[in-house]
Amino acid sequence: ETGVTQSPTHLIKTRGQQVTLRCSSQSGHNTVSWYQQALGQGPQFIFQYYREEENGRGNFPPRFSGLQFPNYSSELNVNALELDDSALYLCASTPTWTATQHGYTFGSGTRLTVV
Amino acid sequence: AQKITQTQPGMFVQEKEAVTLDCTYDTSDPSYGLFWYKQPSSGEMIFLIYQGSYDQQNATEGRYSLNFQKARKSANLVISASQLGDSAMYFCAMRGDQFYFGTGTSLTVIP
Repeated sequence: ETGVTQSPTHLIKTRGQQVTLRCSSQSGHNTVSWYQQALGQGPQFIFQYYREEENGRGNFPPRFSGLQFPNYSSELNVNALELDDSALYLCASTPTWTATQHGYTFGSGTRLTVV
Repeated sequence: AQKITQTQPGMFVQEKEAVTLDCTYDTSDPSYGLFWYKQPSSGEMIFLIYQGSYDQQNATEGRYSLNFQKARKSANLVISASQLGDSAMYFCAMRGDQFYFGTGTSLTVIP
């Protein structure tokens, strides 16, 4: 089975621009979540999607938005980029969000640099 | 509120020795899952071990074991027979309504 795939792997954007990051979830996983990991920090939860609906959101402003598609792949969109948005963005999928024994399978991340 | 605390920013261990990475958690939910992930410099989070809140036995996965003390709300990771390839960041995480991560511990294995 394939794991979680994220694209692109690296990205450089200018402050004020918009960016879209993509994630293909692991086969059979209907729940996708996104995390922001600043340098030297642990991942911070951005939001989660279950069957195309957002079902959880962390402490991130509305300029962070997302989508989940019928095949459970997902996008993270960030508008009006700020320098502090520079981070590693991780996507993770899990078979279901209702059972705590299921961990998340993570992708390798997209490293975003805002200049 | 749910929270994970890792108090060791960095740890060093001699090759072939055992090392314990500390993790404490806070939750009011009776049902939760505790996880440890390894993050090498490539960035990917690699699942190591899981402990459920109702599990009576401590979890083990090869060289990894989890010292689960529910009353103390601690879930320490023990790595036995350290290898050079174990050098990485290690994150403790808890699954509740979302995944909560600690700030991580950087482990360096010395030859």
